[in-house]
Amino acid sequence: TQLLEQSPQFLSIQEGENLTVYCNSSSVFSSLQWYRQEPGEGPVLLVTVVTGGEVKKLKRLTFQFGDARKDSSLHITAAQPGDTGLYLCAGNTDSNYQLIWGAGTKLIIKP
Amino acid sequence: EPEVTQTPSHQVTQMGQEVILRCVPISNHLYFYWYRQILGQKVEFLVSFYNNEISEKSEIFDDQFSVERPDGSNFTLKIRSTKLEDSAMYFCASSEIWAVSYEQYFGPGTRLTVT
Repeated sequence: TQLLEQSPQFLSIQEGENLTVYCNSSSVFSSLQWYRQEPGEGPVLLVTVVTGGEVKKLKRLTFQFGDARKDSSLHITAAQPGDTGLYLCAGNTDSNYQLIWGAGTKLIIKP
Repeated sequence: EPEVTQTPSHQVTQMGQEVILRCVPISNHLYFYWYRQILGQKVEFLVSFYNNEISEKSEIFDDQFSVERPDGSNFTLKIRSTKLEDSAMYFCASSEIWAVSYEQYFGPGTRLTVT
């Protein structure tokens, strides 16, 4: 069974702090995507990583794909209240098109 | 910026009734998907569709479910006889066939409530 485990499940921090969210698996993924989801809305794609060791930056967000393509992390620098939301990782393997989803990290940034 | 649209945003139906959820994928995308998310739970894959046929489906996608691309723009999910446990957010997504990473873009969802 291919699982993506996200940690922590819940994180509440003060504005201005840094944080890292993790997405881990025992399976190898051909690509891994990070989404952000607001309550009652669809997931919004933030970034896709495809190469082992790849690092992508999106303003204050830094995404990394593990060398073995089994894990990924999302680091937010100087978090702001607007970063509040549910962050989901999802990936697909070489053998199927369906996305396998993590359970998400609920992030709250307090002003 | 092109986006996936879904209608209706909220559907309330009685148990045993048929529902059709509609999606308009991004126009140059060729792969289409349906996912569902029961309140407070993970997003779950239902089915993928390419070239007018199902590419993959999950165990959830049983004989009560069907998908169709009735014309060049719409992609529908039909639930033949709804059950209480079908209550969930249903998301449509689409992706370009030639995208290495099969990036999927999601619609805003349809909230299905079965009473």
